[in-house]
Amino acid sequence: EPEVTQTPSHQVTQMGQEVILRCVPISNHLYFYWYRQILGQKVEFLVSFYNNEISEKSEIFDDQFSVERPDGSNFTLKIRSTKLEDSAMYFCASSEAGWTEAFFGQGTRLTVV
Amino acid sequence: GENVEQHPSTLSVQEGDSAVIKCTYSDSASNYFPWYKQELGKGPQLIIDIRSNVGEKKDQRIAVTLNKTAKHFSLHITETQPEDSAVYFCAASIISASKIIFGSGTRLSIRP
Repeated sequence: EPEVTQTPSHQVTQMGQEVILRCVPISNHLYFYWYRQILGQKVEFLVSFYNNEISEKSEIFDDQFSVERPDGSNFTLKIRSTKLEDSAMYFCASSEAGWTEAFFGQGTRLTVV
Repeated sequence: GENVEQHPSTLSVQEGDSAVIKCTYSDSASNYFPWYKQELGKGPQLIIDIRSNVGEKKDQRIAVTLNKTAKHFSLHITETQPEDSAVYFCAASIISASKIIFGSGTRLSIRP
């Protein structure tokens, strides 16, 4: 069964450093998303991406965040200067057509120290 | 914007009994309501969804009900089994939109 894959599974970084989280969506999907989940809390929407541009973003997704689809298969989330409060599980998701039957990856646990 | 409330936050039921998780939403324009199951160390997995043109949907031991007037929807799991233990999230979305809003989650534990 096709699945969304994310790398790395765990990333530890120093505060102020840049991190790039990587995702390979399901191959025929056209819509891509990043969500985050702070430990023990709800899953929060960050950004959606379609046709090589951002469709929608939340207030969390400020100028420190950016997304890119560099090569037609990968989908990345970059945090330019990490803060302690960026520590969370980051989930990538993809869907074939709009927000229906979205499939999530297993997540990247980001720890900022 | 949309806000989804979910109750209870934790639920413990005897194996074989039923479990019910309830959610309410605020945006009357929402028309798509998925339910996700999250097992430890994994991403959320869609288990069932319902659209606003139906009031109930069933898939084996899982059923969802939707009351558009009251803006609430529920997940029902019958004949619970140990593998049902997980965190369950309800969510709401407008199908034409590009995001869904999650509830706060329910940690379901099945007692043997």
